[in-house]
Amino acid sequence: DADVTQTPRNRITKTGKRIMLECSQTKGHDRMYWYRQDPGLGLRLIYYSFDVKDINKGEISDGYSVSRQAQAKFSLSLESAIPNQTALYFCATSDRTGRIGELFFGEGSRLTVL
Amino acid sequence: RKEVEQDPGPFNVPEGATVAFNCTYSNSASQSFFWYRQDCRKEPKLLMSVYSSGNEDGRFTAQLNRASQYISLLIRDSKLSDSATYLCVVHTGGGNKLTFGTGTQLKVEL
Repeated sequence: DADVTQTPRNRITKTGKRIMLECSQTKGHDRMYWYRQDPGLGLRLIYYSFDVKDINKGEISDGYSVSRQAQAKFSLSLESAIPNQTALYFCATSDRTGRIGELFFGEGSRLTVL
Repeated sequence: RKEVEQDPGPFNVPEGATVAFNCTYSNSASQSFFWYRQDCRKEPKLLMSVYSSGNEDGRFTAQLNRASQYISLLIRDSKLSDSATYLCVVHTGGGNKLTFGTGTQLKVEL
């Protein structure tokens, strides 16, 4: 089983719908991240959390919100989805005592907003 | 100007060839640099860190040129299994905030 699990893996939705992407990890890491990946734009950081009580905006947080329900769970919400939020979303984790630069990614959630 | 820039490729090379990718970064204060590998439709995975003095890991060599603000990845004796997108990554902030390049696609052919 994957150490970083994302659900759903694929989702098609309509403009205006609320969507939640969930991420859970069994690595015991304290730090969790949400990225989106678009062709030609690379991976961009949406939100990150260094522990359960810590939430920080990344470079493209508008239109998104997150919740860190537990050390192992970090969910990303789109309150009212729009077509330009169509992308591949990755959750990632890292350990504050671990190697700088080493993120462990989930397998990704492909979201299509019609 | 993008913080991290890479040639998107694709680089099409025959098996056994040597291939090199460059990446430039804009923030001169950046301290740490990495190469990630991403297979098609898969998640990125750390390939190697890039040290100031340059470093090797088997067939892979990474180098850093701080004066010109670029890093490079050299792959010797390319294998079919090396076909992937290689992401240049720069550590830009506190904690483990990373800035990713858009990636360079490598295709190794028979």
